[in-house]
Amino acid sequence: DIQMTQSPSSLSASVGDRVTITCRASQSINSYLVGSYLNWYQQKPGKAPYLLISATSRLQSGVPSRFSGSGSGTDFTLTISSLRPEDSATYFCQQSYTFPRTFGQGTKVEIK
Amino acid sequence: QITLKESGPALVKPTQTLTLTCTFSGFSLTTSGVGVGWIRQSPGQALEWLALIYWDDDKRYSPSLRSRLTITKDTSRNQVVLTMTNMDLVDTGTYYCVHEIYSDSCFDSWGPGTRVTVSS
Repeated sequence: DIQMTQSPSSLSASVGDRVTITCRASQSINSYLVGSYLNWYQQKPGKAPYLLISATSRLQSGVPSRFSGSGSGTDFTLTISSLRPEDSATYFCQQSYTFPRTFGQGTKVEIK
Repeated sequence: QITLKESGPALVKPTQTLTLTCTFSGFSLTTSGVGVGWIRQSPGQALEWLALIYWDDDKRYSPSLRSRLTITKDTSRNQVVLTMTNMDLVDTGTYYCVHEIYSDSCFDSWGPGTRVTVSS
C-alpha cells in the first residue's frame, strides 16, 4: 500500500494568513498521462468530506480560488492563500495512483 | 446533480454481517467509466477506503478487509450494496458511499454517511 503522510497534524492560524499543508507519498504517484493522482478533501465536523482539488492542482467547480494545490512525485502541497473563518476544517490528501486508495491522516485547521 | 445516500442498520452485534445500501441518482452505473465505492471513518480517525465497483463490474477491495467484503450493484435500482462479515467493535464508524469517474480518479460526490455501531 502507498502510505500518505500529512504535516502538520493540526495548525492554528489567523484570518488572512497563508496556510500550507504538506502531503508525502511513500512512493511516486506520478502518471505520464495526468500528472499525479493526488486529491485533496475538506471535512467539517459532522459532514462528509468534500472534494477540493483533483489531480494535484485541478480546482473543483465552486471551490474558492484561495485554495491551490501543487507538487509531483511524492511531495504535494495544499495552500490556502488567505485564510477565512469558513476554512476551519480537517483536510485530507488521497492518492488514486493505485489500489488500495489511501488517505493521509488529516490536518486540522483552526482559526485563532 | 449527483446524489448518494447510505442506508443500513445503526447497530450490529459482534460477529454479525453488516449490509449497507447506497442508493444514488444523477448518473448511471452502466455508463462507461463510472464507479461507486465505500469509505469509512472511525470516530476521530482518518478515512479508510473499503471497496469500489465499476460500470463493467470490475470490483476492487481493500486488501486488509478483502476476505470480509463483498460489493455488488443493481443497475435497475440504482443501488450498490456492501456486505461486511464478522463485524467487530473496531468496525464502528461512519460509512460513506462515493462516486468516482475512472478517468478522474477522485471521489467527486459523497453521501452524507451512515453511522454504524458494533456493540453486544
